[in-house]
Amino acid sequence: EPEVTQTPSHQVTQMGQEVILRCVPISNHLYFYWYRQILGQKVEFLVSFYNNEISEKSEIFDDQFSVERPDGSNFTLKIRSTKLEDSAMYFCASSGGLRQGNDEQYFGPGTRLTVT
Amino acid sequence: DAKTTQPTSMDCAEGRAANLPCNHSTISGNEYVYWYRQIHSQGPQYIIHGLKNNETNEMASLIITEDRKSSTLILPHATLRDTAVYYCIALPFFGGATNKLIFGTGTLLAVQP
Repeated sequence: EPEVTQTPSHQVTQMGQEVILRCVPISNHLYFYWYRQILGQKVEFLVSFYNNEISEKSEIFDDQFSVERPDGSNFTLKIRSTKLEDSAMYFCASSGGLRQGNDEQYFGPGTRLTVT
Repeated sequence: DAKTTQPTSMDCAEGRAANLPCNHSTISGNEYVYWYRQIHSQGPQYIIHGLKNNETNEMASLIITEDRKSSTLILPHATLRDTAVYYCIALPFFGGATNKLIFGTGTLLAVQP
């Protein structure tokens, strides 16, 4: 069964450093998302991406964040200058979008980002 | 998007049916009811969705009241692996990319041996 994969599973970085979180969505999906979950808190939407551009972003997704689909298979989230409060689990998701109405989103296993 | 209300937690005996309620009294006619779950430390997992008819798949059944103000997710034979937080989310009918999921606090279902 196709699945969303994410690498690395755990990333430790120092405050101020740049990190890139990688995702490989399901191959025929058209819509891509990043969510995050701070330990013990709700899953929060960050950004959605379609047709090589951002469709929607939340207030959390400020100028420190960027997304890219560099090669038609990977979908990346870059945090330019990490802060302690960026420590969280980051989930990538994808959906087909091939039929009218919302399609279910399939989530990856997450990358745990720890900023020290 | 309509607000949903779910109990904070529920217990269920292994092998029995788990019935998870969700109230969405302000749901509009073009909003679907989606259910996802999150097993500890894993990514959320899609379970099922419906608009107004009852739905069943290999994981669960979804019963939506006729007035669409509430729904129940049914896991027919709960196992220990079904212990998770279950989220009920109302999403508008929208054939575009802006179908972000807004997760609440969900219901923590604890399946007991």
